[in-house]
Amino acid sequence: KQEVTQIPAALSVPEGENLVLNCSFTDSAIYNLQWFRQDPGKGLTSLLLIQSSQREQTSGRLNASLDKSSGRSTLYIAASQPGDSATYLCAPGQGGSEKLVFGKGTKLTVNP
Amino acid sequence: DGGITQSPKYLFRKEGQNVTLSCEQNLNHDAMYWYRQDPGQGLRLIYYSQIVNDFQKGDIAEGYSVSREKKESFPLTVTSAQKNPTAFYLCASRGGSRATLKTRNTEAFFGQGTRLTVV
Repeated sequence: KQEVTQIPAALSVPEGENLVLNCSFTDSAIYNLQWFRQDPGKGLTSLLLIQSSQREQTSGRLNASLDKSSGRSTLYIAASQPGDSATYLCAPGQGGSEKLVFGKGTKLTVNP
Repeated sequence: DGGITQSPKYLFRKEGQNVTLSCEQNLNHDAMYWYRQDPGQGLRLIYYSQIVNDFQKGDIAEGYSVSREKKESFPLTVTSAQKNPTAFYLCASRGGSRATLKTRNTEAFFGQGTRLTVV
């Protein structure tokens, strides 16, 4: 059974700082990995999707990397802004059942 | 606009009642999912459907039921057998086709959620 761990559980940084969020998973037989953000009381917004054949994916100030063999992904946020404050979740996409399994997320606070 | 619509946004259930949460998508996605979110526990999968007229139990299906009569719709019923239904419920969809095995490579999209409270 896939287990997903996100470290740290919470992170508070000053505005402008670059930061890295970590995601690890136990079953490396995945087809892709998706990063989401969730604002309080809202649904999940897709940020980046990395296919298993890719090592990196970039969107604006966000860069996600994937090391499938070691079961790790990182989300790099450059020049953080207060609007980046949210909970960030990663979800490896399994083959077969095609379920998305989620970590508990990292709650990010960017202070002005 | 294309997307996933969940309704209602807030729902209140009395003890012993069944309630149905709506999830509609116009993305032409084959796969649809229902998750439950509780504070500190992350998202847990209730049911998922990879194709019309077919669905599978997730990790916490007890006390819930679903149907998939149309590609666009995947309603979730919270039955009276669910003893602790107060939670935030999220619906998601993903493209591709079970027949062509393409769903696994596509991006998942979520609705804005329904908050269910037992009164």
